Amino acid sequence: NAGVTQTPKFQVLKTGQSMTLQCAQDMNHNSMYWYRQDPGMGLRLIYYSASEGTTDKGEVPNGYNVSRLNKREFSLRLESAAPSQTSVYFCASRQPSGRFTDTQYFGPGTRLTVL
Amino acid sequence: SQQGEEDPQALSIQEGENATMNCSYKTSINNLQWYRQNSGRGLVHLILIRSNEREKHSGRLRVTLDTSKKSSSLLITASRAADTASYFCATPTGTASKLTFGTGTRLQVTL
Repeated sequence: NAGVTQTPKFQVLKTGQSMTLQCAQDMNHNSMYWYRQDPGMGLRLIYYSASEGTTDKGEVPNGYNVSRLNKREFSLRLESAAPSQTSVYFCASRQPSGRFTDTQYFGPGTRLTVL
Repeated sequence: SQQGEEDPQALSIQEGENATMNCSYKTSINNLQWYRQNSGRGLVHLILIRSNEREKHSGRLRVTLDTSKKSSSLLITASRAADTASYFCATPTGTASKLTFGTGTRLQVTL
């Protein structure tokens, strides 16, 4: 199992450009999440998807959109990138049941710079 | 808003010493989790302690939870250089068990 994969690993954008960050998991997890990590801020939740077909806003959703394409894939889109969106983006998924049901599994991250 | 706040923000110790980091949180919880993040990598789950547990062990890790003080501590015994990383506490909230993370403790273990 690859776990949670993210593409691309690195990206540089100019202000106003758009892009989509891709995330996929092969663990048959129901819930998926997008976080951003900024220096000294820890991780903050952007959007999440409790199950296939549903998405909800997290703590910092402005400037982002998401798509839960199927159970495996959850993408994050920046329609018009701004320098404030320079960050490291992490995708995560969560086991649907069991002893460690709240545990999340993280991808390796996408490092995005907006000039 | 940050649910958890770790203390200290940074910790530097020598190999073989113990490392203790603390986490405080604001609201009632079902469980509290600790994650490790190596430089440039994603987070890796270390241990989960439930609200009805006071202490839990996993290898060289010992976690305590005091729900009356809304605090938890992570102890790493006999630290190794490979333990150098940032450590985050996290608590699940609401539907879909959304995690709220603290700001992390950066641990540096030197030879």
